[in-house]
Amino acid sequence: AQKITQTQPGMFVQEKEAVTLDCTYDTSDPSYGLFWYKQPSSGEMIFLIYQGSYDQQNATEGRYSLNFQKARKSANLVISASQLGDSAMYFCAMREGNAGKSTFGDGTTLTVKP
Amino acid sequence: SQTIHQWPATLVQPVGSPLSLECTVEGTSNPNLYWYRQAAGRGLQLLFYSVGIGQISSEVPQNLSASRPQDRQFILSSKKLLLSDSGFYLCAWSVRRRPGRGSYEQYFGPGTRLTVT
Repeated sequence: AQKITQTQPGMFVQEKEAVTLDCTYDTSDPSYGLFWYKQPSSGEMIFLIYQGSYDQQNATEGRYSLNFQKARKSANLVISASQLGDSAMYFCAMREGNAGKSTFGDGTTLTVKP
Repeated sequence: SQTIHQWPATLVQPVGSPLSLECTVEGTSNPNLYWYRQAAGRGLQLLFYSVGIGQISSEVPQNLSASRPQDRQFILSSKKLLLSDSGFYLCAWSVRRRPGRGSYEQYFGPGTRLTVT
């Protein structure tokens, strides 16, 4: 079974508007971490934001926030005030276990239109 | 600050040739190390991870192998490359930053783009 599901292969957003990228996950481990990464065309993976399974509040990092709904097993990324430089592939990932093994979704390609 | 290096950046190899990709981490001790492969337009697939020197766990059976000869060095190898080995190979490291939480942030190297011809 897919552990991380990103249902939006591609998304478009107008510059300066907010956009939500969806991510649902599946795990029976009570201790896990959820992450979002940005991958521009250069290929580098850029860490954006982290949410721990025990964290009570939603994580925020600048223009990025993570809408964590534990009961629904969703961890959507919200990007506020989109910029042209936000155009990239975005990956949701889940880390479980002591070795920190990660499972990645298939990604969402975000295109910001001027 | 910590940095992670990977080389080479790009590589074109014929089918049946050997492979050696190297990854080194600076500025941290006892990191967990990971090798991922990314097919074009897809997510990352975990290939190997290591929690210490000489300790390698394989996630996907294939003709690749990994070794960790030193604490901050992780090597991905193959004796004979297949066409299906083409892809973008990423090395990553992590360290436990939240004791007891069991969750780690991972930081990635710049990647190696391998084309097997």
